[in-house]
Amino acid sequence: EAGVAQSPRYKIIEKRQSVAFWCNPISGHATLYWYQQILGQGPKLLIQFQNNGVVDDSQLPKDRFSAERLKGVDSTLKIQPAKLEDSAVYLCASSRVRTLNTGELFFGEGSRLTVL
Amino acid sequence: AQTVTQSQPEMSVQEAETVTLSCTYDTSESDYYLFWYKQPPSRQMILVIRQEAYKQQNATENRFSVNFQKAAKSFSLKISDSQLGDAAMYFCAYRSALDGGSQGNLIFGKGTKLSVKP
Repeated sequence: EAGVAQSPRYKIIEKRQSVAFWCNPISGHATLYWYQQILGQGPKLLIQFQNNGVVDDSQLPKDRFSAERLKGVDSTLKIQPAKLEDSAVYLCASSRVRTLNTGELFFGEGSRLTVL
Repeated sequence: AQTVTQSQPEMSVQEAETVTLSCTYDTSESDYYLFWYKQPPSRQMILVIRQEAYKQQNATENRFSVNFQKAAKSFSLKISDSQLGDAAMYFCAYRSALDGGSQGNLIFGKGTKLSVKP
């Protein structure tokens, strides 16, 4: 079974530029998550999708961050314009639907963003 | 709101020895999951062990075991016979088992960096 795929692995941009990250979850996983992991901290949820609908985006800075999952499969997270404090690793994770859920999330390798 | 606290930013263990990583959490819910995830440098986060709150028996996975104290809201991870490959960041995480918008979201502690000395 293929794991969660993310790209790019690394990205360096100037502040006020834009960037986009892509995630393809494990096949059949209806729930997709984007987490932000700042150096020295644990991951923090940005947004959670169930199929192509948003379940929780309460911690997404909507003035600069956006995310979509149009066909209920892969997802894109965009930052525009980027700030210095957005430097972090962006983790994508997926899980099965609730009724089959063992509670486990499966993570991708992450996309490391550096904003200069 | 639920919180997870890992009070040990760094730990060190000698190869083949045993080490225990601490985690406490705060919740008013009765049904939830607790996890330990391992994150090697520049590699993906993987599940080490999982505990369902309704189960009194402590979970065990090979060299990894937990001490789950529900009343004390404590969830420590014990690694026996430590190996060089165990060196990583370890995150304790909480997940509600209830229906609702936040169901499924993992709440993480800040992590403990484990070093293994040969």
